[in-house]
Parts: sequence; structure tokens; C-alpha cells
Amino acid sequence: KAGVTQTPRYLIKTRGQQVTLSCSPISGHRSVSWYQQTPGQGLQFLFEYFSETQRNKGNFPGRFSGRQFSNSRSEMNVSTLELGDSALYLCASSLVLGVRNTEAFFGQGTRLTVV
Amino acid sequence: DAKTTQPPSMDCAEGRAANLPCNHSTISGNEYVYWYRQIHSQGPQYIIHGLKNNETNEMASLIITEDRKSSTLILPHATLRDTAVYYCIVRVRAGAGGTSYGKLTFGQGTILTVHP
Repeated sequence: KAGVTQTPRYLIKTRGQQVTLSCSPISGHRSVSWYQQTPGQGLQFLFEYFSETQRNKGNFPGRFSGRQFSNSRSEMNVSTLELGDSALYLCASSLVLGVRNTEAFFGQGTRLTVV
Repeated sequence: DAKTTQPPSMDCAEGRAANLPCNHSTISGNEYVYWYRQIHSQGPQYIIHGLKNNETNEMASLIITEDRKSSTLILPHATLRDTAVYYCIVRVRAGAGGTSYGKLTFGQGTILTVHP
């Protein structure tokens, strides 16, 4: 069974640009969450999608947005990039049984560098 | 979600058991204890979780104290490949009054270094 796939693995962008990251969850998983990891702040929750709807959102500015498609694939977008947005962006997928999420499985992440 | 406290770092000799403690003294009755680990530059990997009973799987054992205020993750025979950051997370079970659903709140974790 294929794991969580994130593309691209590495990305270099210029300050002020925007970027879109993609995540394909494990087959059958309908919940997708996004996290940002930086050396200073650690792993921080960005948002979670289920059935194409955002269910939960972390404390990030509106420049960070996401969406989920009918096939459960998800994208996150960061507009007007800042140097501080340089981070490892991780996607996790999980099954939803009733109203409960099972354990989350993470992808390898996308390493974004803003110059 | 309840906060957790873990030692910043621990060492372990290869082949010996690694016992990683976690304090979660403010845990609520509907919160589970989850453990994840992150090997350098990879995504976190799920290890195990439990509510109040001890749990064991092919990777590790989880021992939760009777009052649920602390737990210990046990890697029975640590190898060099177990060197990683280990995160203890307490998470409400969605549907029991919580709205966190899939959200995981990571702390700083414990850096476990396994030595030859």
C-alpha cells in the first residue's frame, strides 16, 4: 500500500512569490492535515481537511490556505512568501471512523526555502 | 489538548531497552496518549497509542500509570536506527466533546541517541 506522497520534495522560491504544495493521502484515507516544522517553532498544526471541508485550523496568517479535492488529495498554498516561511511542510492522512480519526501517517515532507 | 513534559534528551546502548518517560498530569478522561518519532529529515512515524491499559505492538510497549498522569514508551531492544526524536502527544478523542479531530499538538520531544 503506497504511503502519503508529497510533491515536490524540495522547492526554492523568492520572497513575495506564492507556492502550492501537493499531498496524496493513503488510499482510503479521507482526512488530511498539514504541519509546518521549523527549528525554532517545532512542528505546528496548520489545518485539517475532511470531505473537502476544512475542519480545524491552526494559528497561522491568512496567507496560508488549503483545499481538498473529491479524491481526498490536498493542496496547500502560501502567498506572498516571507523568509520565515522557510520550513519543512508535512502532510498527514488518517482514516475517519465515525467521528474519530485513527492514527496519522505522515509523508516525507516538502522542504521549502525562501530566498 | 493536555500538555506533555518530556526530557530533552536520553542515551541508550544498542541492544538495551530504551525507556522514554512522559508526564501528562493534566490529562482528561477522554484523552489518549500517542507516541510518534521522527528520524532526521523524515516525516513523523506513528508508534503506539493507549487510553489507560498498557499496550504493546511490534515496535514498542506503552505503560500508562494507573492515575494516567504519566506514561513510558519502551523500546525493548534499541538499535542504531531507533535514534530519533520521540514525541509524546495527548489528544482528545473526537466525538467526545472535542473538536481536534486529526490535530496533533507536538511538543519538543525527547532526542534519543542509541550508541553502539
